[in-house]
Amino acid sequence: GAVVSQHPSRVICKSGTSVKIECRSLDFQATTMFWYRQFPKKSLMLMATSNEGSKATYEQGVEKDKFLINHASLTLSTLTVTSAHPEDSSFYICSARDLVPQTGVNTEAFFGQGTRLTVV
Amino acid sequence: GQNIDQPTEMTATEGAIVQINCTYQTSGFNGLFWYQQHAGEAPTFLSYNVLDGLEEKGRFSSFLSRSKGYSYLLLKELQMKDSASYLCAPMDSNYQLIWGAGTKLIIKP
Repeated sequence: GAVVSQHPSRVICKSGTSVKIECRSLDFQATTMFWYRQFPKKSLMLMATSNEGSKATYEQGVEKDKFLINHASLTLSTLTVTSAHPEDSSFYICSARDLVPQTGVNTEAFFGQGTRLTVV
Repeated sequence: GQNIDQPTEMTATEGAIVQINCTYQTSGFNGLFWYQQHAGEAPTFLSYNVLDGLEEKGRFSSFLSRSKGYSYLLLKELQMKDSASYLCAPMDSNYQLIWGAGTKLIIKP
């Protein structure tokens, strides 16, 4: 299957600093990328949908100014957690969707490896 | 509203067969995905059903009934490495995946 690379896998930062997480689709063009957050033993929570070349669409309750998303190319989307606080500590996961050319239907979503963020 | 219902936890024996059921309600439907997620890792794709019926892929099979809003994942010849959470995720009319909390599967020797 297709490969999505997410970096870094783990990061520890001080409260008040910013952290950037990268999500790359390695062998396909991802016009749409998704950013999720997952708390321990909880389901994936969609934070935002990122479309190449346009502004991200944020889910209700997600602060746009705190979680900056940039999708500048068909293979790269970044999530920046600004002025991080301990409550932002979580597992962040990106996924990218490949299009089936014939039908135009979005098919299986491929996930990055996830980023474990710890804010101290 | 949109809703996913799966058992929270299941236990099975190594070498046995287990079926994980999923019922769903979504605004529109564009297929249903099953993912496997080991603790501390991102989900990995297992299957995608868009038509009614059974899709078999090695030890794993997935079934869909759109009229009943029902799917199941069947795991055969269970191995210890199959211990993980299994996520049922239907796709709604906006091609957005709807996630539940998943089923934690515990395999015992």
